[in-house]
Amino acid sequence: KQEVTQIPAALSVPEGENLVLNCSFTDSAIYNLQWFRQDPGKGLTSLLLIQSSQREQTSGRLNASLDKSSGRSTLYIAASQPGDSATYLCAVRRSGGGADGLTFGKGTHLIIQP
Amino acid sequence: DGGITQSPKYLFRKEGQNVTLSCEQNLNHDAMYWYRQDPGQGLRLIYYSQIVNDFQKGDIAEGYSVSREKKESFPLTVTSAQKNPTAFYLCASSMWGAPTDTQYFGPGTRLTVL
Repeated sequence: KQEVTQIPAALSVPEGENLVLNCSFTDSAIYNLQWFRQDPGKGLTSLLLIQSSQREQTSGRLNASLDKSSGRSTLYIAASQPGDSATYLCAVRRSGGGADGLTFGKGTHLIIQP
Repeated sequence: DGGITQSPKYLFRKEGQNVTLSCEQNLNHDAMYWYRQDPGQGLRLIYYSQIVNDFQKGDIAEGYSVSREKKESFPLTVTSAQKNPTAFYLCASSMWGAPTDTQYFGPGTRLTVL
C-alpha cells in the first residue's frame, strides 16, 4: 500500500528566505505527483504536477523535483512571502490510466514571518 | 466561471441520520472524487467515478454511498453506518487518461455530528 510522508510537519521562517519541503513515497510505481496548497478551512489549490517521466516542474517562485527511483520529491519556494503561509500537501497518483484517486501526505504547515 | 461547487458549507447531523453532500462541476470533467480530511491528516479517498453510472470504492468507503446520474454531479451520502462522520469533505474532478490530468478541488463541506 502506498504511503506518503512529508517532512517537516511544520516550518516557520522569516520572510525572504528560500525553503525546501520534502515528500517521500514508498511505492515508486506512480503515474504523477502533485503539490497542493491549502489555506485554513478551504479546498486545495494545485501548484505543480510532475509526470512520472519528468524530473522537475517550475511555476514562478516554485520548483518541484521528482526522483522516482528513490521515492522522493521536493518543493522549493524562493524568496518566501507572508502570503505563502499555508499547508502544503504532496500527493501521488497510482500508476496506470483511467481515473484514480490520489494518496496524500499529512502536509507541511508553513508560516512565513513578516 | 468554471469550477466545482459544494453545498452546504457547514452541515450538522444528529446521530442516526443520513445526510447528502452536494458536488457539482462545470469543467466538463469525466472523473469525480470524494475525499475526507480529519484534523492534522492528509486526505483519504472515499469514492471515485470515471463516467456516468459508474463508480468505484476508495480506501474508506464503508458507511458512505454515491451516485453518478449526470456528468456534472456526484453527490455523497453519509449514512448512519459511518461510525465517525465528523470531518471536512472535499470533492474533486479531473479529466482522465493522461499523466497530466490535474485534480481540481471544491471548497469543501464541514460535517459535524451532534
